[in-house]
Amino acid sequence: ILNVEQSPQSLHVQEGDSTNFTCSFPSSNFYALHWYRWETAKSPEALFVMTLNGDEKKKGRISATLNTKEGYSYLYIKGSQPEDSATYLCAFQSAGNMLTFGGGTRLMVKP
Amino acid sequence: DGGITQSPKYLFRKEGQNVTLSCEQNLNHDAMYWYRQDPGQGLRLIYYSQIVNDFQKGDIAEGYSVSREKKESFPLTVTSAQKNPTAFYLCASKGINNSPLHFGNGTRLTVT
Repeated sequence: ILNVEQSPQSLHVQEGDSTNFTCSFPSSNFYALHWYRWETAKSPEALFVMTLNGDEKKKGRISATLNTKEGYSYLYIKGSQPEDSATYLCAFQSAGNMLTFGGGTRLMVKP
Repeated sequence: DGGITQSPKYLFRKEGQNVTLSCEQNLNHDAMYWYRQDPGQGLRLIYYSQIVNDFQKGDIAEGYSVSREKKESFPLTVTSAQKNPTAFYLCASKGINNSPLHFGNGTRLTVT
């Protein structure tokens, strides 16, 4: 079983705070690293898919970086808003197209 | 609209019965996946299929079976051999290479 770990498990921040989470994954057999946002009562939706070491992607206030050599990715949220409250999942995609998820980071943003 | 349909949304079964969860997609994706979520945990991979008539075990395949006779469909059977079948089940599909997963709305299975 591949070890994909996310930290922290949960996070409470105030509106306007910036925050970041970590996803660590095996550095061998790597093909891509995915980030998803999962809001309550909805399906997970894709944020980013990254493949190259040093990749940085941005969507509005959310950005992500990738280090495949050391096996980690960071997700940053700038100026958190209550609507950012969700569980953020990362997934390791192997060369064989298997996708293994981490346990997720649950973010709660207080107004 | 293209998407993934899982049915039913809620399913109740008695212990000892097999039950099949449906997953259909019209996105023309080759790859399909089944995940299970338990309270307080992330998504764990049960089975995945990269192409019609082929599938591979994920991390927790014991007590489950799948088939992939059509590109659009990837049903999951929860057999009586699955020790703790009560859970939330999510199906997903994926296009080529580094495309993201597209998820269905899930089926919540309760076995008593």
